Amino acid sequence: NAGVTQTPKFQVLKTGQSMTLQCAQDMNHEYMSWYRQDPGMGLRLIHYSVGAGITDQGEVPNGYNVSRSTTEDFPLRLLSAAPSQTSVYFCASSLTGASKNIQYFGAGTRLSVL
Amino acid sequence: EDKVVQSPLSLVVHEGDTVTLNCSYEVTNFRSLLWYKQEKKAPTFLFMLTSSGIEKKSGRLSSILDKKELFSILNITATQTGDSAIYLCAVEAGYALNFGKGTSLLVTP
Repeated sequence: NAGVTQTPKFQVLKTGQSMTLQCAQDMNHEYMSWYRQDPGMGLRLIHYSVGAGITDQGEVPNGYNVSRSTTEDFPLRLLSAAPSQTSVYFCASSLTGASKNIQYFGAGTRLSVL
Repeated sequence: EDKVVQSPLSLVVHEGDTVTLNCSYEVTNFRSLLWYKQEKKAPTFLFMLTSSGIEKKSGRLSSILDKKELFSILNITATQTGDSAIYLCAVEAGYALNFGKGTSLLVTP
């Protein structure tokens, strides 16, 4: 059971480049989310999805797009990377979006934007 | 605005010591409080607390929630070097987890 899988593990981009961070889970979880983790800031929610075809914004959505065409996958797109997006990105999933569900995290993607 | 505050932000102890990590919160529509351990990679789940005054235990780790005073503590007894990590507190409100900044714990031999 792979759990939550994120690719790539590391990425370096130049300002203005675009890329997609991949996230896949094999636990048939309905709820998936993306967080970014910056030094001294904790984890902050970027976007989340309560099921296929449904997405919504979190605390820091600007500069990021998401889509949820299948239950398994929840990619995060950076359309025009900026140095302020240098961070570690975590994808998480839980059984449903209802309360009292444990969220499980992927191993993270470390992104540097030069 | 929802707020989750952890203290201390960092802590250095010797093996065998007991430590107490604190998490206070102010959120609307509180549903649960979770503790995670992060060792360089993904946060891994430790506890979920929903009811006040009920202690959750797992080996040397334990946690309790006080919903009246809006805080939780995470205790680690007989610390080991393998306990060195960042401990994250998160409060579930709506569809989001609101995280504190974490407590960085270093256990020295």
